[in-house]
Amino acid sequence: EAQVTQNPRYLITVTGKKLTVTCSQNMNHEYMSWYRQDPGLGLRQIYYSMNVEVTDKGDVPEGYKVSRKEKRNFPLILESPSPNQTSLYFCASSLKGEPVQHFGDGTRLSIL
Amino acid sequence: RKEVEQDPGPFNVPEGATVAFNCTYSNSASQSFFWYRQDCRKEPKLLMSVYSSGNEDGRFTAQLNRASQYISLLIRDSKLSDSATYLCVVNIFNAGKSTFGDGTTLTVKP
Repeated sequence: EAQVTQNPRYLITVTGKKLTVTCSQNMNHEYMSWYRQDPGLGLRQIYYSMNVEVTDKGDVPEGYKVSRKEKRNFPLILESPSPNQTSLYFCASSLKGEPVQHFGDGTRLSIL
Repeated sequence: RKEVEQDPGPFNVPEGATVAFNCTYSNSASQSFFWYRQDCRKEPKLLMSVYSSGNEDGRFTAQLNRASQYISLLIRDSKLSDSATYLCVVNIFNAGKSTFGDGTTLTVKP
């Protein structure tokens, strides 16, 4: 089944404790993105990647890192999480030249 | 000013009503346009792409006006199951960057 898989789905953690949210897709998509969504707001793009070893900042990259060592994986790293990073996070992937995005189920992060 | 702006609503309509949502975008380099649907903070799902000539999918019609930089979504004969948040999305083609509107909430009531 074609899918985008995020882990964990839920996480409660404390300020300053490094965490990684994994994202994996099995559709051989070139493009992958991370978004965050806060109450009353749409999705804001954090980082995106157009291919292996190619990543770019989105609209709200501060406090986040990403890597794209393999085509299928695009982890989101919070080196020193803070409470303002409490949010719902979505990973998405798409084919180059076909910008319809396929989303993972989301990860709810709470940073205390 | 936001790059993509939508009327947040909420829109509360009775079953069978026709409802229209608008979305404006500011980046003239934008090349591809979409409407996504999102239910209760679940993952967004593509509702339809928006083409310059306008396109229809059953009860849903999408229009694009490049000169005025807006897109619209028309829902006819609303169903209870249409209750959701509708997100307008604008891409710069092959650039990987997507900008979402904040969403318009629709509630269809019996």
